[in-house]
Amino acid sequence: TQLLEQSPQFLSIQEGENLTVYCNSSSVFSSLQWYRQEPGEGPVLLVTVVTGGEVKKLKRLTFQFGDARKDSSLHITAAQPGDTGLYLCAGFTGGGNKLTFGTGTQLKVEL
Amino acid sequence: NAGVMQNPRHLVRRRGQEARLRCSPMKGHSHVYWYRQLPEEGLKFMVYLQKENIIDESGMPKERFSAEFPKEGPSILRIQQVVRGDSAAYFCASSPSTDVGYTFGSGTRLTVV
Repeated sequence: TQLLEQSPQFLSIQEGENLTVYCNSSSVFSSLQWYRQEPGEGPVLLVTVVTGGEVKKLKRLTFQFGDARKDSSLHITAAQPGDTGLYLCAGFTGGGNKLTFGTGTQLKVEL
Repeated sequence: NAGVMQNPRHLVRRRGQEARLRCSPMKGHSHVYWYRQLPEEGLKFMVYLQKENIIDESGMPKERFSAEFPKEGPSILRIQQVVRGDSAAYFCASSPSTDVGYTFGSGTRLTVV
């Protein structure tokens, strides 16, 4: 059983469109993180959300942490080809000792 | 300040050989984590180490895999008697403490032929 389920698994859109990626769990997390990974590279941390209901914005990216701290979403406005990549949510488990990653959402933004 | 350095970037091994993957954490980071990733999949936790100590190895296969983080030098992930199923990208990450974001290396892509 996957602790963190992401949807959709794959997303292919045109430049300029908006999209939302979801990260859901039955467990409560003290915080959730979002990473983006490009082909051939390691994941890069985008944001950490800590408080239930928290909303953070990073340019065209908006991250939200659910009120119950079990889920999170990533919304991208006016997607660009440079947004293409694998988006991963992650939460700490094992008493904060390790970061458990979600199943991932592969985004492709075409011209 | 260099990031997390992993080498080699690509490693090809024949079945039955040993693979050694190295990771130098960011300066000032004493926590090291190893993850494995299969194509178009998320990252699977393998092991968490601090200097000279294995803190959590719950994601490591019980046989053929071992990890260390010596007092001096990089962290090493060692895979003995590799099999084709070991082919994957192996990522190392480091952090200055627990409960904070990780900095990842660029990974080592292991291919077993």
